[in-house]
Amino acid sequence: DAGITQSPRHKVTETGTPVTLRCHQTENHRYMYWYRQDPGHGLRLIHYSYGVKDTDKGEVSDGYSVSRSKTEDFLLTLESATSSQTSVYFCAISETGTYYGYTFGSGTRLTVV
Amino acid sequence: AQTVTQSQPEMSVQEAETVTLSCTYDTSESDYYLFWYKQPPSRQMILVIRQEAYKQQNATENRFSVNFQKAAKSFSLKISDSQLGDAAMYFCAYRRGNTGKLIFGQGTTLQVKP
Repeated sequence: DAGITQSPRHKVTETGTPVTLRCHQTENHRYMYWYRQDPGHGLRLIHYSYGVKDTDKGEVSDGYSVSRSKTEDFLLTLESATSSQTSVYFCAISETGTYYGYTFGSGTRLTVV
Repeated sequence: AQTVTQSQPEMSVQEAETVTLSCTYDTSESDYYLFWYKQPPSRQMILVIRQEAYKQQNATENRFSVNFQKAAKSFSLKISDSQLGDAAMYFCAYRRGNTGKLIFGQGTTLQVKP
């Protein structure tokens, strides 16, 4: 979807290094989310934001932090990457009052070696 | 806590036939929405169909329809006249109200045989 972009699309990193994934939206939506997708688990929520500088934890937040200094950008940081964080990461956006679910980015495949 | 369960990890269907993917959910809420998303090999998440819990009528979008059984907390997806392009992973998802977080099932991989 053109209204939401994720970068990078692929990344390989070493264990113990910090990694930052970026999500950028042009829709001016209030809510932004980070999910990870793993086989057998579907998509699980890591962190979400309900406004600038307003964030909260999801069900699998350990080892991750987020920041949202502008409406359009939501950053996900792996403070010290581990092999268990090898996954596909999705960003999503939504707005209050819409029942169309979320709009998703194209995902980032992260491999931690 | 709300949960979503897809008990069929893999399904297959012959081209032009009909297939039904199952989904059950658990919630004590009365105001919620249910969704089916399609994820083709491109990895893009595509909204297929949605259902508002307060609506008794089952949602339909072209070849895609749902069987929403609120009392049984069941939300199955029926794909009619299956096409090769329907091959993908399908996720069932639940959202409480308009601001709740989207909760996903484990996914079902659909294979379409020519």
